[in-house]
Amino acid sequence: GAGVSQSPSNKVTEKGKDVELRCDPISGHTALYWYRQSLGQGLEFLIYFQGNSAPDKSGLPSDRFSAERTGGSVSTLTIQRTQQEDSAVYLCASSPSGTPRETQYFGPGTRLLVL
Amino acid sequence: KQEVTQIPAALSVPEGENLVLNCSFTDSAIYNLQWFRQDPGKGLTSLLLIQSSQREQTSGRLNASLDKSSGRSTLYIAASQPGDSATYLCAGLRNTGNQFYFGTGTSLTVIP
Repeated sequence: GAGVSQSPSNKVTEKGKDVELRCDPISGHTALYWYRQSLGQGLEFLIYFQGNSAPDKSGLPSDRFSAERTGGSVSTLTIQRTQQEDSAVYLCASSPSGTPRETQYFGPGTRLLVL
Repeated sequence: KQEVTQIPAALSVPEGENLVLNCSFTDSAIYNLQWFRQDPGKGLTSLLLIQSSQREQTSGRLNASLDKSSGRSTLYIAASQPGDSATYLCAGLRNTGNQFYFGTGTSLTVIP
């Protein structure tokens, strides 16, 4: 079956522009996670969606970052007024119900470069 | 905040060698620990998940152990193969909250 997909695979933008990154989780998975992987650093948690519950936004680095999940499926991560330090690989993951006993299934990521 | 450290950062071994990757974490209040593999330009693939009540998990040539009291996990790879070349990441999930804390990874190269 289809795994987690993300688009675009690569994005180059100019400083100050807004960008939108998309994640399509595995069908039927209620939990969705966004992570950021900066060069030379580990993965950094950004945000977590579980069903219709309020998302856990505790990892978002600034108010320029926001995310939404429509219809409990597709999610969009938006970065406003991009900065060079936003350059990173943005990874999305999903899991069946979000319980700690489950593994997370990761997408291939979107590589963002802010010039 | 949970700090996860992986040693070594990079490792190069000849094919057929057994090897151990290390992961240490500062907060023993973890619910589970996972080992992932990341190939260049690709996402993460889960290898093994160890619940806090378990001490180890095995899958094929891979064996992962967890010692919560010392804050350590190891990934043992037996009879390494060139196809094992990748970056290996460990991640811990705390008892509270929804986020995994990832280490910076160990880049493994298996030389034919």
